[in-house]
Amino acid sequence: DAKTTQPTSMDCAEGRAANLPCNHSTISGNEYVYWYRQIHSQGPQYIIHGLKNNETNEMASLIITEDRKSSTLILPHATLRDTAVYYCIVTLTSYDKVIFGPGTSLSVIP
Amino acid sequence: GAVVSQHPSWVICKSGTSVKIECRSLDFQATTMFWYRQFPKQSLMLMATSNEGSKATYEQGVEKDKFLINHASLTLSTLTVTSAHPEDSSFYICSARGLVSRSRTYEQYFGPGTRLTVT
Repeated sequence: DAKTTQPTSMDCAEGRAANLPCNHSTISGNEYVYWYRQIHSQGPQYIIHGLKNNETNEMASLIITEDRKSSTLILPHATLRDTAVYYCIVTLTSYDKVIFGPGTSLSVIP
Repeated sequence: GAVVSQHPSWVICKSGTSVKIECRSLDFQATTMFWYRQFPKQSLMLMATSNEGSKATYEQGVEKDKFLINHASLTLSTLTVTSAHPEDSSFYICSARGLVSRSRTYEQYFGPGTRLTVT
């Protein structure tokens, strides 16, 4: 079973920041939070991951709450190409398999 | 990120025939590969996990005699759908996990998927 809960869908205006929340209240101390996205009819694309510190890369920022029970993926300036299903996943990284939940369908609107 | 390819990208086959899908890690050695299946408007469902040189581990409800997985080398895994039926029509996605030299971490990367249609 997926260990995370996400909203089913969200809209975001083009050029604005998209903030995608994820709850993972049962996360254990050595589990990471990973984010992937899947554009229609393509394979999932890795976005970012973190353990407890906030992380940033060229695609997005990941904000993890201090108690690690939730996190937010931030796309700072959403474009139409960011329209996709975004999956938040909790995993032990190197040693665990990636189990997908239903994800959040993000629609970026012109 | 690292590159994982799949071949073919799409295939149409007749009911009762078998079809083989290849998954390759192009720029790293994949100690573990995973196969997923995705039906329209649904999430990815893990089918099996395979480690190089050993038998695949199948998820509950996945028929191992129908979905044959071979992981003969560190860069290649194959999924063969045997005696395919129309209900096997789906989007099959592989992923590969290994040590990626650029990041020097073990990460999992996904292939672009293979669309199988059984008529």
